[in-house]
Amino acid sequence: EAQVTQNPRYLITVTGKKLTVTCSQNMNHEYMSWYRQDPGLGLRQIYYSMNVEVTDKGDVPEGYKVSRKEKRNFPLILESPSPNQTSLYFCASQGGRASYEQYFGPGTRLTVT
Amino acid sequence: AQSVSQHNHHVILSEAASLELGCNYSYGGTVNLFWYVQYPGQHLQLLLKYFSGDPLVKGIKGFEAEFIKSKFSFNLRKPSVQWSDTAEYFCAVNAGQAGTALIFGKGTTLSVSS
Repeated sequence: EAQVTQNPRYLITVTGKKLTVTCSQNMNHEYMSWYRQDPGLGLRQIYYSMNVEVTDKGDVPEGYKVSRKEKRNFPLILESPSPNQTSLYFCASQGGRASYEQYFGPGTRLTVT
Repeated sequence: AQSVSQHNHHVILSEAASLELGCNYSYGGTVNLFWYVQYPGQHLQLLLKYFSGDPLVKGIKGFEAEFIKSKFSFNLRKPSVQWSDTAEYFCAVNAGQAGTALIFGKGTTLSVSS
């Protein structure tokens, strides 16, 4: 089954404790993205990757890092989480430049205290 | 910079009422347009999309949307809503250039009472 998976689905952590949210897709998609969803703000793109070892900033990259060492994985790293990063995070993948439809993962609800 | 505006923050309807959710975007070039739905506690699912061709596109679950280029609009419609349509709806635009940035509107919450 074609899917995008994220782990963990729920995470409560404390300020400053590094964490990684994993994202994996089994569709051999080149493009992957991370979004955060906040009430009243919709979804905002954090980072995206056009292919292995190619990443770029989205609209709200501050406080986040990503890496793309393999095509299927696109982890989101918070080196020093802060309470304003409490949010719902979605990973998405896309088939290629001729296919603009994005497939979303189930989401990770992060709370930073 | 591209932007997407959804006119209604919260819409409340009774079952069988007709629905129209407004979406306007700002970008002068070729665009790809999407409507996504997010049911409570679930991830985003694609309702419908427009890339080119017939400006009236039909999606899943009886939804349709019309692209009006002159108005920079892509409004979502459904003739008769059901209680199960209660969800949040997002309009999104991709400018069709290299990269994968999807610009989302802030969402419209639809509440349907039975």
